Amino acid sequence: DAGVIQSPRHEVTEMGQEVTLRCKPISGHNSLFWYRQTMMRGLELLIYFNNNVPIDDSGMPEDRFSAKMPNASFSTLKIQPSEPRDSAVYFCASNLAGGYTDTQYFGPGTRLTVL
Amino acid sequence: GDSVTQMEGPVTLSEEAFLTINCTYTATGYPSLFWYVQYPGEGLQLLLKATKADDKGSNKGFEATYRKETTSFHLEKGSVQVSDSAVYFCALIPRGGSEKLVFGKGTKLTVNP
Repeated sequence: DAGVIQSPRHEVTEMGQEVTLRCKPISGHNSLFWYRQTMMRGLELLIYFNNNVPIDDSGMPEDRFSAKMPNASFSTLKIQPSEPRDSAVYFCASNLAGGYTDTQYFGPGTRLTVL
Repeated sequence: GDSVTQMEGPVTLSEEAFLTINCTYTATGYPSLFWYVQYPGEGLQLLLKATKADDKGSNKGFEATYRKETTSFHLEKGSVQVSDSAVYFCALIPRGGSEKLVFGKGTKLTVNP
């Protein structure tokens, strides 16, 4: 079975540019999560969707960040305009049934560098 | 709010040594508890989990027991291997409300031959 797929794996861009990260969850999974990993803040949830609907976006740092899930098999995280402090590894995860006992499966991550 | 505290690393051990990585949590009610592992350059993988008090999660020789009295979920392995070198994250999902994983800061383990 294919796991969670993320693209690109690496992205280098200049400050002010728009960045779009993509995620394909595991087929049949109902919830999708976007996390950010930095040395300073560790792993933190940005937003999550259930059945394509955003449920909790309290972790989205500011209006420059937006996320969409137009269908069950695709999600994007967009940063516009990007800033050097956005440099991090961004992970997408999905789970099947949701709820607090269910395992989340992580993608390999996108390493973003903003110069 | 909900939080996870795990021992600071890095931890360096010799092969076949005993491993303990401490993890304590703060949460309302009884959360589900998880250990994830991140190998270099990869995403996180679930190592084990426990969803109620006194449950023991186990996988690949690793174990952790959900202790509600001490709000702890310490990770143990009796004999580590070089291939266990990775970063280990303790995490929780609170019961009720948001499904978000709340992570500890991670503990880097290096096992030398």
